[in-house]
Amino acid sequence: GAVVSQHPSRVICKSGTSVKIECRSLDFQATTMFWYRQFPKQSLMLMATSNEGSKATYEQGVEKDKFLINHASLTLSTLTVTSAHPEDSSFYICSARRGGISEQYFGPGTRLTVT
Amino acid sequence: TQLLEQSPQFLSIQEGENLTVYCNSSSVFSSLQWYRQEPGEGPVLLVTVVTGGEVKKLKRLTFQFGDARKDSSLHITAAQPGDTGLYLCADFYNQGGKLIFGQGTELSVKP
Repeated sequence: GAVVSQHPSRVICKSGTSVKIECRSLDFQATTMFWYRQFPKQSLMLMATSNEGSKATYEQGVEKDKFLINHASLTLSTLTVTSAHPEDSSFYICSARRGGISEQYFGPGTRLTVT
Repeated sequence: TQLLEQSPQFLSIQEGENLTVYCNSSSVFSSLQWYRQEPGEGPVLLVTVVTGGEVKKLKRLTFQFGDARKDSSLHITAAQPGDTGLYLCADFYNQGGKLIFGQGTELSVKP
């Protein structure tokens, strides 16, 4: 149990375009989902916290208009990178948390490359 | 702001050797977690330690939590190539369940 999937696993897009990444909790309802970013050889940095039915909370320094997060249901959150630039190339990882339980279950990540 | 420092950052050893990875916090941990991440994958939770002085074992992995709950170590006995990966310690830092991660220890075990 507690499986989280991400789609796509890899995506290449051209500079200036937008790309959407999906995060799904497959066998549980996730009241909260988190989005992380990880550069090569570095740790995970929290970008934003997404609660079902409400606006996402962004960490300091993360542009909310560039990284649009939608948590429309208890099993799906999406991250849209708008007007992507090469510096947005990174590994994006989501995690999901069941209500009342602190443990986070991580997705397999999405490798974004902006050319 | 809590800071988690891991050491060493990189470790390359031969199969069969033992190793220890450390995680130190600038403040008391609320609930320390250790994760392992393989390249191109999300992190996988290995263990959660809460009580000062706690020791947990997971096969060849031994996790220790300092009495003051500000430091932890991960010891691997007889490392195998399958242990290769990024080892991360993490702590919850607010009621919202946010996790803060250490910078990680990249372990390479050569056959």
